[in-house]
Amino acid sequence: RKEVEQDPGPFNVPEGATVAFNCTYSNSASQSFFWYRQDCRKEPKLLMSVYSSGNEDGRFTAQLNRASQYISLLIRDSKLSDSATYLCAVSPTSGTYKYIFGTGTRLKVLA
Amino acid sequence: ETGVTQTPRHLVMGMTNKKSLKCEQHLGHNAMYWYKQSAKKPLELMFVYSLEERVENNSVPSRFSPECPNSSHLFLHLHTLQPEDSALYLCASSQELAGVLSADTQYFGPGTRLTVL
Repeated sequence: RKEVEQDPGPFNVPEGATVAFNCTYSNSASQSFFWYRQDCRKEPKLLMSVYSSGNEDGRFTAQLNRASQYISLLIRDSKLSDSATYLCAVSPTSGTYKYIFGTGTRLKVLA
Repeated sequence: ETGVTQTPRHLVMGMTNKKSLKCEQHLGHNAMYWYKQSAKKPLELMFVYSLEERVENNSVPSRFSPECPNSSHLFLHLHTLQPEDSALYLCASSQELAGVLSADTQYFGPGTRLTVL
């Protein structure tokens, strides 16, 4: 089993739709979780950190499910500009600077 | 955004060449990282420097040689690379607190797209 797994997609959704993707992790001791957005041929940019209580930033909501060992990202009212690859990053307890990245989920928002 | 800059942005080199990638961060951070991103693969951590000391070498071949002369600059020296080394090389930085590298937010540079012929 991979340390961090994501469905590569692509998820093709119409504008205005709600879309959600998950990221599963294998290390139950993982402590820190992040969602990054990566546009084509660009660098990853932090979208949001994922806290135990979940967090929301505008149209984006991130949740952590420790029991099932996954994090989720929900995007409401999708915009064309949301089209990108969404990477999850998980940091284990030991050597906590070591992010383990997923391969990313590609989202295409269609007009 | 100019928080983390990388040069060159694109590099084509032969297998016998020697080249260097440069990264500079303007965020006042004290930890810097090199990642490799190949097509359809997750980001792979290569090296980590904290307070200018290398704290991680993730089984990277010796044809990649990092250098961190100060907390703002990071280099990746390349020599006798292989075609499979072609990838996007990303630099990142973060802030170490109280002597402990934590999973604080890492900020990435735009990357150098390397092609090895």
